[in-house]
Amino acid sequence: SAVISQKPSRDICQRGTSLTIQCQVDSQVTMMFWYRQQPGQSLTLIATANQGSEATYESGFVIDKFPISRPNLTFSTLTVSNMSPEDSSIYLCSAPTSGLTDTQYFGPGTRLTVL
Amino acid sequence: KQEVTQIPAALSVPEGENLVLNCSFTDSAIYNLQWFRQDPGKGLTSLLLIQSSQREQTSGRLNASLDKSSGRSTLYIAASQPGDSATYLCAVRGGANNLFFGTGTRLTVIP
Repeated sequence: SAVISQKPSRDICQRGTSLTIQCQVDSQVTMMFWYRQQPGQSLTLIATANQGSEATYESGFVIDKFPISRPNLTFSTLTVSNMSPEDSSIYLCSAPTSGLTDTQYFGPGTRLTVL
Repeated sequence: KQEVTQIPAALSVPEGENLVLNCSFTDSAIYNLQWFRQDPGKGLTSLLLIQSSQREQTSGRLNASLDKSSGRSTLYIAASQPGDSATYLCAVRGGANNLFFGTGTRLTVIP
């Protein structure tokens, strides 16, 4: 199994500012994923982050708004830039421990509120 | 695009009842299907993973089945307890990297 931690657990931010969310996995993983869960909704994939390459973004998400770093096999960051109230969501990072056929584990999430 | 539907959206049962949650998906070309539990304001806890070649998986009071050809999965919870109260999400993995999530079933077990 994998243990995934995220910081911060929650934050309240002003419109127009940026927030960087950190994700730490207790083992080396090839792929890490960032998801968004808007209030009352299910999870939507933002991007896939592989170490040593640019993140791959899903339709509707762009690098300028959600820049991602993946400096090593255990860590990733997601920045939510120039925030608006519509960005208020739970942001979760996730990783399968050994490939796409394996169980995918999730961090506890970062609850973001934008005023 | 894969679409995942969960029925019912909410379910309330008395403690001790057995119950079934349903998940359906539109594209049967999947690697696997995973059931998660999410407590309010928290992240996801993996409950069961069923590979595309498997028919079911069991863990304690939980049993998940998969009928890939018909695009359906069920999560059976035996002898429900108040601690089972949570939102249950199913997710299917198709090609590439994405997990497609259903909208969840919010379960309340009444003591």
